Amino acid sequence: SAVISQKPSRDICQRGTSLTIQCQVDSQVTMMFWYRQQPGQSLTLIATANQGSEATYESGFVIDKFPISRPNLTFSTLTVSNMSPEDSSIYLCSAASGRFDEQYFGPGTRLTVT
Amino acid sequence: EDQVTQSPEALRLQEGESSSLNCSYTVSGLRGLFWYRQDPGKGPEFLFTLYSAGEEKEKERLKATLTKKESFLHITAPKPEDSATYLCGGGGSNYKLTFGKGTLLTVNP
Repeated sequence: SAVISQKPSRDICQRGTSLTIQCQVDSQVTMMFWYRQQPGQSLTLIATANQGSEATYESGFVIDKFPISRPNLTFSTLTVSNMSPEDSSIYLCSAASGRFDEQYFGPGTRLTVT
Repeated sequence: EDQVTQSPEALRLQEGESSSLNCSYTVSGLRGLFWYRQDPGKGPEFLFTLYSAGEEKEKERLKATLTKKESFLHITAPKPEDSATYLCGGGGSNYKLTFGKGTLLTVNP
């Protein structure tokens, strides 16, 4: 299993600003993902972070709003850009050894936009 | 479109009172059915993967089973420390996980 850390654990941001969330895995992994979790809702996949190439975004999520980097096999960042109160949520990073393997999740970043 | 539905939304049990959580799925080319436990303020913790109908897996007081349309998480003689939200996710042919909204389990002493 992989151990995943995220920074920051929580933040309160002003409308119109951007926040970058970091995700670090303790071992090399093939797959890294970013999810959003809103109260009472399912985990929603934002994008798959691809090492060495552009992330693959899900319907309803765009690169300009959620730019993602993945410079190597253990690290990824998600930026939430030009934030509005609707972006208030928990953002989770996950990792898996292979495309169809179980995913391990980080502790999440709780974002509040005022 | 892949879909996963969990029931009930919330379940309250007395310590020692066994029960089951349900996960109904419609996932194209199911590659695996995943169960997670999530405690408040934490990320989901992996519990089980089930790959084919008829498969069962156990861990302490938990047993997960899988049919062609649904999965069950059976909790035998639960303890207060089993209180958490249990999430079910289906992994399809496109490798992405589709999650249900979860079942909030509360076990009273």
